[in-house]
Amino acid sequence: DTGVSQNPRHKITKRGQNVTFRCDPISEHNRLYWYRQTLGQGPEFLTYFQNEAQLEKSRLLSDRFSAERPKGSFSTLEIQRTEQGDSAMYLCASSSWRGTSGNTIYFGEGSWLTVV
Amino acid sequence: QKEVEQNSGPLSVPEGAIASLNCTYSDRGSQSFFWYRQYSGKSPELIMSIYSNGDKEDGRFTAQLNKASQYVSLLIRDSQPSDSATYLCAVNTHDYKLSFGAGTTVTVRA
Repeated sequence: DTGVSQNPRHKITKRGQNVTFRCDPISEHNRLYWYRQTLGQGPEFLTYFQNEAQLEKSRLLSDRFSAERPKGSFSTLEIQRTEQGDSAMYLCASSSWRGTSGNTIYFGEGSWLTVV
Repeated sequence: QKEVEQNSGPLSVPEGAIASLNCTYSDRGSQSFFWYRQYSGKSPELIMSIYSNGDKEDGRFTAQLNKASQYVSLLIRDSQPSDSATYLCAVNTHDYKLSFGAGTTVTVRA
């Protein structure tokens, strides 16, 4: 079974440009999460999907950020008009949630964004 | 108050010693608790999960949970240089998202 796959792994972009990250979760995992991590901090929750429905967005997710998960499979995270403060590692994770405790979340390798 | 707080590091231990990591959480309704290991420049890797009060052992790792005190810990026995990493405590919120602490960086001295 393959793990969570993210691409691109690294992206350098100029301020003001748009970037898009893609995440392919573990097959049959119904939940998909996006987190952001900056140096010296733990991952911060951004948003998550259950199947194709986006159930929650953090207040950290400004209107420049949008995420989709069409058909409940892969997901994309787009950042419009990037700012230097967007530089971070963007982590995708997935889980097989069945409505009980023990929802184990597995992370992909992350996508590093550097805005110059 | 942060949802998850970890003891400040960095923590330096000699090879073969026990490394002790602590974590407290604020949501008394939390049900699931996890420890992730993160090497520099890499993504978090799950090493332990614990759901019930008491101890859970897996190899050289032991997780301890005390829900009454809202406290979870991780012990690493016989520490090895390969254990040098940042350890992240994570707690499932009421709707099963993970909330993370800032991490404790452990350095094992050879």
